Amino acid sequence: KAGVTQTPRYLIKTRGQQVTLSCSPISGHRSVSWYQQTPGQGLQFLFEYFSETQRNKGNFPGRFSGRQFSNSRSEMNVSTLELGDSALYLCASSFPGRMNTEAFFGQGTRLTVV
Amino acid sequence: GQQLNQSPQSMFIQEGEDVSMNCTSSSIFNTWLWYKQDPGEGPVLLIALYKAGELTSNGRLTAQFGITRKDSFLNISASIPSDVGIYFCAGQLGVPNTGNQFYFGTGTSLTVIP
Repeated sequence: KAGVTQTPRYLIKTRGQQVTLSCSPISGHRSVSWYQQTPGQGLQFLFEYFSETQRNKGNFPGRFSGRQFSNSRSEMNVSTLELGDSALYLCASSFPGRMNTEAFFGQGTRLTVV
Repeated sequence: GQQLNQSPQSMFIQEGEDVSMNCTSSSIFNTWLWYKQDPGEGPVLLIALYKAGELTSNGRLTAQFGITRKDSFLNISASIPSDVGIYFCAGQLGVPNTGNQFYFGTGTSLTVIP
């Protein structure tokens, strides 16, 4: 079956702009999590969505937001972009509700803010 | 948030050598996952562990879920050039109804010298 699909793969934005990234999870997976990866900070958890509701949230400012649609596809939005937002944004999908589960990642969206 | 200490930070080894890396946590986890990430790509799941003491293999890779549930180990035997990459551990607290949030280690960068 198809894996996790993230679009676009690469994005260049200017400071102050906003950006929307998309993630389509593996079929049947209803939990979608977003992570920011930078060389200095590693993989940092942004938020998790399940059944169109945010279930967990990491320590990121309110400029970072997300949503999930009824088909489990998810988007994350970053407003008022800053240079420090340049990173690889990864989405992971997993089967919902089980304590022991696995997370599968997409290829990521490389965001560069100039 | 939870801190996962992963070591070593980097390794340079000769082709054919065995590799060991580990991850420790201050909290008890119910799930441990090991991933490999190539440059510019998303992490790929290698091994999932669900029970304390569990030893699981995937080809030349072997991982163990520590008895204390606060650590995990990954071994790679007879390394080959394509093993090059960054290896991450990830843990899930597994407390019911808290979602599928995973905490990641800082990564081990592996270089294999032919």
